[in-house]
Amino acid sequence: GENVEQHPSTLSVQEGDSAVIKCTYSDSASNYFPWYKQELGKGPQLIIDIRSNVGEKKDQRIAVTLNKTAKHFSLHITETQPEDSAVYFCAAFPARDMRFGAGTRLTVKP
Amino acid sequence: ETGVTQTPRHLVMGMTNKKSLKCEQHLGHNAMYWYKQSAKKPLELMFVYNFKEQTENNSVPSRFSPECPNSSHLFLHLHTLQPEDSALYLCASSQLGRNHYNEQFFGPGTRLTVL
Repeated sequence: GENVEQHPSTLSVQEGDSAVIKCTYSDSASNYFPWYKQELGKGPQLIIDIRSNVGEKKDQRIAVTLNKTAKHFSLHITETQPEDSAVYFCAAFPARDMRFGAGTRLTVKP
Repeated sequence: ETGVTQTPRHLVMGMTNKKSLKCEQHLGHNAMYWYKQSAKKPLELMFVYNFKEQTENNSVPSRFSPECPNSSHLFLHLHTLQPEDSALYLCASSQLGRNHYNEQFFGPGTRLTVL
């Protein structure tokens, strides 16, 4: 089955700096890679996703890159703001069900 | 109501109690999921329902019993739980099909504490 590894587990950056979170997956059949943001007391919210036929996708300050050969994908947040502080989860979707990474707690210091 | 709603938001129960968690999705999706979220662990998929039929049961103990009466509602019945079952239980829904990539939409979760 699929196995998703996520790093780092915690990340602290200064407001305005960039943040990068990386994930690796094991199942070459995985074809869908969403990223979720979970704020305190809330469920995970989809913030961006990428499909296996695309190498990069950007939405304002958020971008995701996918390297299918190396089986890794990354979330990039530029010009971070305090409201970006949350736990971020990556996930990989192979044919059967979605597997999640363990999460990265991002803290953006003002 | 929009999106995915869950009730109750918080639940404290003893090990001998019986309780139920409720989830409702207002997105017209055909699949619903129960996840368990424990501290510092990946989200654990518990059950999947596709068109009201259970298609996945990831070795979940029988003290957790799901019910899906229709494609909009999902329940998780709890009985004789253990303290290690304390966690955030998340419900999600998605639209499965040839042209869909399983974008899952989550509810806010039920924070369960078993005493």
